Amino acid sequence: KQEVTQIPAALSVPEGENLVLNCSFTDSAIYNLQWFRQDPGKGLTSLLLIQSSQREQTSGRLNASLDKSSGRSTLYIAASQPGDSATYLCAVKSGGSNYKLTFGKGTLLTVNP
Amino acid sequence: NAGVTQTPKFQVLKTGQSMTLQCAQDMNHEYMSWYRQDPGMGLRLIHYSVGAGITDQGEVPNGYNVSRSTTEDFPLRLLSAAPSQTSVYFCASSYGRRPPANEQFFGPGTRLTVL
Repeated sequence: KQEVTQIPAALSVPEGENLVLNCSFTDSAIYNLQWFRQDPGKGLTSLLLIQSSQREQTSGRLNASLDKSSGRSTLYIAASQPGDSATYLCAVKSGGSNYKLTFGKGTLLTVNP
Repeated sequence: NAGVTQTPKFQVLKTGQSMTLQCAQDMNHEYMSWYRQDPGMGLRLIHYSVGAGITDQGEVPNGYNVSRSTTEDFPLRLLSAAPSQTSVYFCASSYGRRPPANEQFFGPGTRLTVL
């Protein structure tokens, strides 16, 4: 059974700092990994999707990497801003023909002005 | 393009009542799914559909029914609500199952409280 863990559970940083969020998964036979952002009381917004054959994806100040063999992904946020404050979730698609995303419990990020 | 829409945004039910959570997408996505999000549990898959007329169970299907009569709509039915179904419910959709088409898009959620 696939399990996804995110560390740390919460992170507080000053504005302007570069930071890394971590995601690990137990079964390396994945199709892809997706990072989401969730603001309080809101839905999930897709940030980056990395296919299993890819090593990284970039969008603006965000860079996500994937090391499938070690079961790890990182989300790097450059020059953090207060508007980046949110919960960040990673999810992996795996399980053969079953259509299933397994989510981590998220990292709550607070960027202080 | 409205994306994935869900109604209602909030709902309070009494134990034993029934209701339907609505989900619609206008992106012609083939795959749709329902998740629930609970504190400390993360998001868990309830039911999913790989196309009109085809549905299947996810991780936590008990107490919920679904149907998919059109590509656009995927309603979730609670036949007899229980307090354990108090949660935030998210609907999601994607073009396909396999890469690169299976990026998931989520709706804004429905907050359900069962008293």
